[in-house]
Amino acid sequence: SQQGEEDPQALSIQEGENATMNCSYKTSINNLQWYRQNSGRGLVHLILIRSNEREKHSGRLRVTLDTSKKSSSLLITASRAADTASYFCATLYSGGGADGLTFGKGTHLIIQP
Amino acid sequence: GAGVSQSPSNKVTEKGKDVELRCDPISGHTALYWYRQRLGQGLEFLIYFQGNSAPDKSGLPSDRFSAERTGESVSTLTIQRTQQEDSAVYLCASSLAPVTQYFGPGTRLLVL
Repeated sequence: SQQGEEDPQALSIQEGENATMNCSYKTSINNLQWYRQNSGRGLVHLILIRSNEREKHSGRLRVTLDTSKKSSSLLITASRAADTASYFCATLYSGGGADGLTFGKGTHLIIQP
Repeated sequence: GAGVSQSPSNKVTEKGKDVELRCDPISGHTALYWYRQRLGQGLEFLIYFQGNSAPDKSGLPSDRFSAERTGESVSTLTIQRTQQEDSAVYLCASSLAPVTQYFGPGTRLLVL
């Protein structure tokens, strides 16, 4: 089955630094989404980028999408301790319904105060 | 079938009425999630059940929304006094681990 794969699996940085996470996927998509999950909690939608978009911003988040490389990156600028969480990318298959949404294994981000 | 099922598939209701949405997760999946998806937007987390732990209700948008789950089986999402802004697709997902969540087909709710 199709699955987004994030790297790195874990990332630890100092507060104030920027954090970059990457995601790769296998087949064509309609859109790619990034989610955050704090330990023991549900997923929180962060940002959605469509297959015809290359870059999107939301507050301190910047997402890029390269459909030729089937990859996306999530940049969190000026990180804060509250950004500590796991970050997942999710892809929706082209032509698929909601049951085509699959999450990768995630990047566990730790922000050191 | 072995997948997540939801009912009804479509629901049209009048503003002010209560609605109840049902989710049957995959047997054995301990985690169950409810999401809302407005047209053209990403999933909005509503509530998360994990085993017998207290549910994570942090995503519920107002006190008109509530959900229950019986053990590790069926869950119902109830919206009281529906508003037009509640119109959306309500998706349920179940999983054994956060790696992959298996989504149901959703319930399309239209509040007139």
